Amino acid sequence: EADIYQTPRYLVIGTGKKITLECSQTMGHDKMYWYQQDPGMELHLIHYSYGVNSTEKGDLSSESTVSRIRTEHFPLTLESARPSHTSQYLCASSSGEKLFFGSGTQLSVL
Amino acid sequence: GQSLEQPSEVTAVEGAIVQINCTYQTSGFYGLSWYQQHDGGAPTFLSYNALDGLEETGRFSSFLSRSDSYGYLLLQELQMKDSASYFCAVRDQGWGKLQFGAGTQVVVTP
Repeated sequence: EADIYQTPRYLVIGTGKKITLECSQTMGHDKMYWYQQDPGMELHLIHYSYGVNSTEKGDLSSESTVSRIRTEHFPLTLESARPSHTSQYLCASSSGEKLFFGSGTQLSVL
Repeated sequence: GQSLEQPSEVTAVEGAIVQINCTYQTSGFYGLSWYQQHDGGAPTFLSYNALDGLEETGRFSSFLSRSDSYGYLLLQELQMKDSASYFCAVRDQGWGKLQFGAGTQVVVTP
């Protein structure tokens, strides 16, 4: 089983703050993803990476940015948080057709 | 446009059988996956179908008909722990870039 870790688990922050959501995996997967999910709703792909120094925007427009300097690390950054960014952010990595998800970060922007 | 349709909620009693249908309309198609997500938890992979037919894994089975752009997840011998949301997802292009449906909440009653 893949081990994929996200921190923090919960984050409450004020408008305008810069935040970074951390995601790390220990299985050496090249492909990693960030999904955004509102309660009871579908998952929307916001960023993905096929490997080191490779990042692409997903299908849902997002004001966040990502970086992939190391295979195991795929952080997501919001330069200036707004209430519209309140959501759950799920990080995943994949082996073949199987995605392994982290436990998510529940972000609340006041 | 691209879309995946699945019922929003299904309720059944313990021991029963539940079928969750998923129809899709996507620009490309490489396979249909199913994920389970308990409240507050991370999605976990259940199955993947690339070819027509039925795949069985324990109490869960998944079916695909590419000509009908249709698949289903079959949950047998329902248990209380099966109460969760179930998402179908299509890989329409590129590795791991999944388009998710809105999810079906399965409620299992005693």
